[in-house]
Amino acid sequence: ETGVTQSPTHLIKTRGQQVTLRCSSQSGHNTVSWYQQALGQGPQFIFQYYREEENGRGNFPPRFSGLQFPNYSSELNVNALELDDSALYLCASSSRLAGVSDTQYFGPGTRLTVL
Amino acid sequence: GQQLNQSPQSMFIQEGEDVSMNCTSSSIFNTWLWYKQDPGEGPVLLIALYKAGELTSNGRLTAQFGITRKDSFLNISASIPSDVGIYFCAGQQGSNFGNEKLTFGTGTRLTIIP
Repeated sequence: ETGVTQSPTHLIKTRGQQVTLRCSSQSGHNTVSWYQQALGQGPQFIFQYYREEENGRGNFPPRFSGLQFPNYSSELNVNALELDDSALYLCASSSRLAGVSDTQYFGPGTRLTVL
Repeated sequence: GQQLNQSPQSMFIQEGEDVSMNCTSSSIFNTWLWYKQDPGEGPVLLIALYKAGELTSNGRLTAQFGITRKDSFLNISASIPSDVGIYFCAGQQGSNFGNEKLTFGTGTRLTIIP
């Protein structure tokens, strides 16, 4: 069984740029959630994708957007990067069946630094 | 965004000691989870609790779901070097559509003194 994978591992961008982060869900999982973890903090929920649609969103502006593909993999896109966007971005996958989701399993994260 | 109150913020203990940490919330959660995060890694699930009052063990780890559904605690017995890391609690409103987001605590950093 393949776990959750994320790419790239590290990324450095400058203010105003755009970034795309990628996540492959664990085998058999159809739901992907994204979290932002600032240094010294717990992860904060950004949004969740199921059946290629956004299903629930945390307190993040519209410049944070995402996609889910038919193979359940997902992308997180952030436009107009700000210094405060520097964080570890975590992807978590889970299996939803009959409207009920199982436990979320996390990937290793992508460390984004905005200069 | 909301973060749960977790204490203590950090712990310095000797190998073999027992550890206790807790997590409180102003909101009710229907599921409580405890994760451990090592440097450069994502959180790894340790224990999941699904019912108020539930006491669950996983090896040397024991966790309880508070009766009020607003708190949880985690105990680690006879600590070993690989227990070093950051422990997070997380609450979940439910497992049905739209309620699955995890709300995390602020973390407890565990260090073992040689």
